[in-house]
Amino acid sequence: DAGVTQSPTHLIKTRGQQVTLRCSPKSGHDTVSWYQQALGQGPQFIFQYYEEEERQRGNFPDRFSGHQFPNYSSELNVNALLLGDSALYLCASSLKVAGVGDTQYFGPGTRLTVL
Amino acid sequence: GNSVTQMEGPVTLSEEAFLTINCTYTATGYPSLFWYVQYPGEGLQLLLKATKADDKGSNKGFEATYRKETTSFHLEKGSVQVSDSAVYFCALGFTGGGNKLTFGTGTQLKVEL
Repeated sequence: DAGVTQSPTHLIKTRGQQVTLRCSPKSGHDTVSWYQQALGQGPQFIFQYYEEEERQRGNFPDRFSGHQFPNYSSELNVNALLLGDSALYLCASSLKVAGVGDTQYFGPGTRLTVL
Repeated sequence: GNSVTQMEGPVTLSEEAFLTINCTYTATGYPSLFWYVQYPGEGLQLLLKATKADDKGSNKGFEATYRKETTSFHLEKGSVQVSDSAVYFCALGFTGGGNKLTFGTGTQLKVEL
């Protein structure tokens, strides 16, 4: 049973560029959440996708956008990159119908460096 | 708003020592509580969870009890190993909150021989 996968593993961009990160959820899961983890910090919730729609959003600017596809995979897009966007971006999947306490399974993350 | 506070690290212990990592939370309502572990260069792995007051989560020798009266979810292990060296994150989440997790800042654990 494949877990959550993310690509690419590492990425280096320059300020002002745009980036797309990809996530495939754990088999059977229908909900994908994205988190940003700055160095030495806990993950911060960016947004969550379910049924191909953004359902909830954290305190991130609209430079951060996403998409969910019919196969439940998801993309995170960041436009006009800033140095402060350098972080580990984590994708987590879960099953909506299970309700609270259901586990979010995390992928290994994409390390984004903005120069 | 919701928040999680963890003891600052790093915590350095000798192998076979007893471990406690403190976690307290502030929340409106009754969240589920989680401990996640992050090994160097990796993503987060769920270690244990508890969904209601007085529940005890346990896994791989680690335990944590959901204490509503003290709004705490302290992580404990009776005898740590070098392989337990990692960063530990306490987190909370809600039904209806779409399973959004709120994390603490993490506590680094170093276990030495």
